[in-house]
Parts: sequence; C-alpha cells; structure tokens
Amino acid sequence: NAGVTQTPKFQVLKTGQSMTLQCAQDMNHEYMSWYRQDPGMGLRLIHYSVGAGITDQGEVPNGYNVSRSTTEDFPLRLLSAAPSQTSVYFCATAPGGRGLSNQPQHFGDGTRLSIL
Amino acid sequence: GNSVTQMEGPVTLSEEAFLTINCTYTATGYPSLFWYVQYPGEGLQLLLKATKADDKGSNKGFEATYRKETTSFHLEKGSVQVSDSAVYFCALSRMAQKLVFGQGTRLTINP
Repeated sequence: NAGVTQTPKFQVLKTGQSMTLQCAQDMNHEYMSWYRQDPGMGLRLIHYSVGAGITDQGEVPNGYNVSRSTTEDFPLRLLSAAPSQTSVYFCATAPGGRGLSNQPQHFGDGTRLSIL
Repeated sequence: GNSVTQMEGPVTLSEEAFLTINCTYTATGYPSLFWYVQYPGEGLQLLLKATKADDKGSNKGFEATYRKETTSFHLEKGSVQVSDSAVYFCALSRMAQKLVFGQGTRLTINP
C-alpha cells in the first residue's frame, strides 16, 4: 500500500500563476486535510474534509481552494500564487467517524513549493 | 483558543544522554495529545499519543504522560541514539481532528 501520496514533490511558480497540489490515499480514510509548514511555526491547518462532498476551512484558508469529489483524492488549488505561500505542504488522513479526535493522522512526504 | 507551546530548539545531546522536550498546552475541555516525529525529507509520523488525563504514551523508548493539572505532555527518553535525530512536534486534537501543533524542536544526537 502506498498510504498517502503527494505530487509533485517540488515546484517553483511565479507570482500570479495557479497550480494544484495533488493528494491521493489508498487507505479508505474518510478524513483528509492540508497543512502548511513554515519555519518556527509548526504546521497550520489550511482546509479539511470529513468525507466526499464535504470540506471546511482550517486556520489559514485564504488563497487556497479545495474540493473532495472522491474518498481517495483531495487536491489543493492555489488560484493566484503569492510569495507568502512559499512553504512545505503536507496532506494528512485519518480513518474518521467516531473517535476522530483520538485518531493519529497519516502524513504524506510533502510538496515543497517556492513562489518567486 | 487552543495552543501548544514547545521547548525551543535546537537541542544537541551526546549519544546515551537523557532527553526531555517540554510541551505545555492550552485547551478547552479534554484534548487528545500527540507527539509526532519528522525525519529529514519526510512527512510526520506518529510517535505516541495519550487520550485522557494520567495516560502514558510510549513507543521506541520514548514516553510522555498526560498531566492535566500542569497541562503538560513532556517527551522523555532515557538513552538517545544518533538515529533519534529529527524534529519533534507536540500536538493536540480537540474537535474534528483539527490538530494544533507546537513549533517543533530540532534534536541532534552526536556519537
């Protein structure tokens, strides 16, 4: 099993460009989420989904869009990239359902994104 | 709101030394507490967790006890190895798996 797969691993964009970060999981997890990791700030939640067709905002949602049309995939879209979005992005999943807050999350290996 | 404060790093120790990384939290109600570890170039992996007061999580020689009276979840290991070099994150989960992370502590173990 691959677990959580993120693509691409690295990307350089120019200010104003758009792109989609992909996240796919093969564990049939209901819960999926996106975090950004910045030096000295830990990880911060961008958006999350508790199941197909359901998404909600996290702590830092501005500038990002998500959708969840299938259980397996949870893409993160940057509509107009800004230098402040330079970061490492992680997708994470959990089984979901009852006891969600007790469940550990499974992380992908991350996408390192630079905005020039 | 919910928050996690971790001991600032970086922390450098010699092999076989005793390790403590402090973590305190602020939260309403009764959060679940986690320690995650991140090795270079990789995502985070769960190290251990505790879901209620006085629970002790343990894994790979690491331990942490959920102390509600002091709102703490300090990570300890009796004898560290070079392979323990990584970044360690304390985190809490209160509702709908919205993990709140500390800033991370970089640990380097010298042979």
